[in-house]
Amino acid sequence: QQQVKQSPQSLIVQKGGIPIINCAYENTAFDYFPWYQQFPGKGPALLIAIRPDVSEKKEGRFTISFNKSAKQFSLHIMDSQPGDSATYFCAASMNSGYSTLTFGKGTMLLVSP
Amino acid sequence: DTAVSQTPKYLVTQMGNDKSIKCEQNLGHDTMYWYKQDSKKFLKIMFSYNNKELIINETVPNRFSPKSPDKAHLNLHINSLELGDSAVYFCASSQEQGNTIYFGEGSWLTVV
Repeated sequence: QQQVKQSPQSLIVQKGGIPIINCAYENTAFDYFPWYQQFPGKGPALLIAIRPDVSEKKEGRFTISFNKSAKQFSLHIMDSQPGDSATYFCAASMNSGYSTLTFGKGTMLLVSP
Repeated sequence: DTAVSQTPKYLVTQMGNDKSIKCEQNLGHDTMYWYKQDSKKFLKIMFSYNNKELIINETVPNRFSPKSPDKAHLNLHINSLELGDSAVYFCASSQEQGNTIYFGEGSWLTVV
């Protein structure tokens, strides 16, 4: 059972475009929603994260939009650059007990020059 | 300074061999993990340790055995390697379960 569903699987945008990656979750007990960025040959690294008490969080060109009632959250990359080309993972966890992050299946983003 | 370091980075070995991957974190975190990333880049938790105690043990063949000699180290030993074990194995750590996880750079295991 996949608890975090991520789409699209891959995405190609032109430089300056705004790629949007979507995730949906099932477990209403999730209360922490990070996005990770992974470059080829490297480990995933935390990009930005949100908790359900806010509907949007922005850090630089990266924005998370969160819709608690729909159990969905998304990553927007403003003014995308070729250097943003990477695989992006959404994840979710519960801040209680022995929960750990459950990852989506990843989105391969290519930003063309 | 590398926060989460794992060795070796690349490992090519024959079926049936036994191999180990070592991991160390210098972040002072209490929790460490092993994740497996398959060829489709799907990240799946294998094990989680908190203060040297096994907390999460997902459905992983018992040929995989984690060992945590102290809370800064979590090693992964794999017996009787199979072709399907070929993957990238990531060690990671966090201050608490469920929060920001810091990953190592991965160990590329190829079983031939």
